[in-house]
Amino acid sequence: QVQLQQSGPGLLKPSQTLSLTCAISGDSVSSNNVGWNWIRLSPSRGLEWLGRTYYSSTWYNAYAEFVRGRITINPDTSKNQISLHLESVTSDDTALYFCARDFAVPGRYPYYLDYWAQGTLVTVSS
Amino acid sequence: QSVLTQPPSVSAAPGQTVAISCTGSSSNIGAHFDVHWYQHLPGAAPKVLIYGNNIRPSGVPARFSGSKSGTSASLAINGLQAEDQADYYCHSYDNILRTWVFGGGTKLTVL
Repeated sequence: QVQLQQSGPGLLKPSQTLSLTCAISGDSVSSNNVGWNWIRLSPSRGLEWLGRTYYSSTWYNAYAEFVRGRITINPDTSKNQISLHLESVTSDDTALYFCARDFAVPGRYPYYLDYWAQGTLVTVSS
Repeated sequence: QSVLTQPPSVSAAPGQTVAISCTGSSSNIGAHFDVHWYQHLPGAAPKVLIYGNNIRPSGVPARFSGSKSGTSASLAINGLQAEDQADYYCHSYDNILRTWVFGGGTKLTVL
């Protein structure tokens, strides 16, 4: 059974960097046919996909356009986890942040999110 | 302002059937991309209910079913139970925005 455990601060000031980690158990961050995602949920914008990292002979990343330039998602194979860094946060980045695994079904797209963490509420306030 | 449109709320009594719609466009659901459905109870991890439009993962009760037609998809819940009270989200891909997209979520109240 795959389990995802998030950690990181829940309160930030504007202009700071949001940093969260997602520890993976029951699977390897380097597994084939899966990807590791960050998604957030806010009352005003609903669910938003932020980005993804996955391994296929080498590491790849994909980021949502609206956060590109501010976001970095990194895998850590030694700790079997992924991290999220979102720079220059504003109150618009206040949300519940989730990490989630996606699973690729051959010939089907988009991949579906089969395991999620419980989420971390991040509040940006001065 | 979500790309996929869901009703903000639905309600029904225990034992009844409810359907939650997810309306998209020709650049997402209508472009033959899959639709997935998730259930989210506050404080818990979201859970996939339906993937690939109509496939139930093991462990999801048979009273949950999904369908897709044209630019819309639907999640049906038969024989409603109190434990089904939660938020439900649809998920697909948009080939103009080139990103995964979600519905705004539907809050299901079991009366």
